[in-house]
Amino acid sequence: GENVEQHPSTLSVQEGDSAVIKCTYSDSASNYFPWYKQELGKRPQLIIDIRSNVGEKKDQRIAVTLNKTAKHFSLHITETQPEDSAVYFCAASIDNTDKLIFGTGTRLQVFP
Amino acid sequence: GAGVSQSPSNKVTEKGKDVELRCDPISGHTALYWYRQSLGQGLEFLIYFQGNSAPDKSGLPSDRFSAERTGGSVSTLTIQRTQQEDSAVYLCASRTPSGGYNEQFFGPGTRLTVL
Repeated sequence: GENVEQHPSTLSVQEGDSAVIKCTYSDSASNYFPWYKQELGKRPQLIIDIRSNVGEKKDQRIAVTLNKTAKHFSLHITETQPEDSAVYFCAASIDNTDKLIFGTGTRLQVFP
Repeated sequence: GAGVSQSPSNKVTEKGKDVELRCDPISGHTALYWYRQSLGQGLEFLIYFQGNSAPDKSGLPSDRFSAERTGGSVSTLTIQRTQQEDSAVYLCASRTPSGGYNEQFFGPGTRLTVL
């Protein structure tokens, strides 16, 4: 069945450094790739998404890149801050449906 | 405006009992999803409602799980004869209908503990 793999499971960086989280997906029909941030004890919230007709999207310190040929996409956070500490989930749409399949999450810790 | 709400926020039950979890989506959102998040795990899709269409139940892990959505708004997830492995956070999400994909807005979740 469809699958999304996410790496790494944990990531620790120093404040100001960059962080990169990578995901691969199996469904070649996937065409929507959102990233959600979940702070401790809170609900997941969308931080950025990308559709299959573009290769990169930026929003201030965060960016997402998509390689449809290789079926992988990545989240890039620059100039990390302690408030970036959270669990980040990638997701991919399933076979032209309205459903998403999520990765297992990356716990990012930014040390001051 | 009001976001997605869920109740109860926490539920402790004994093995074998039935539980009902409630989700109130954002007004006007016709699409509603239920997910399960086990400790340290990702979001596991359970069921999806879209308008008046038949729900997509393909993610329900067993026939002990069921869900309904009344009047196209409030949804209830029911777990019968609960087992310890059902312990998790159950998240509900809703989104507006659109020609393409858009953001799913999540509720705060219900933390279910089965003793």
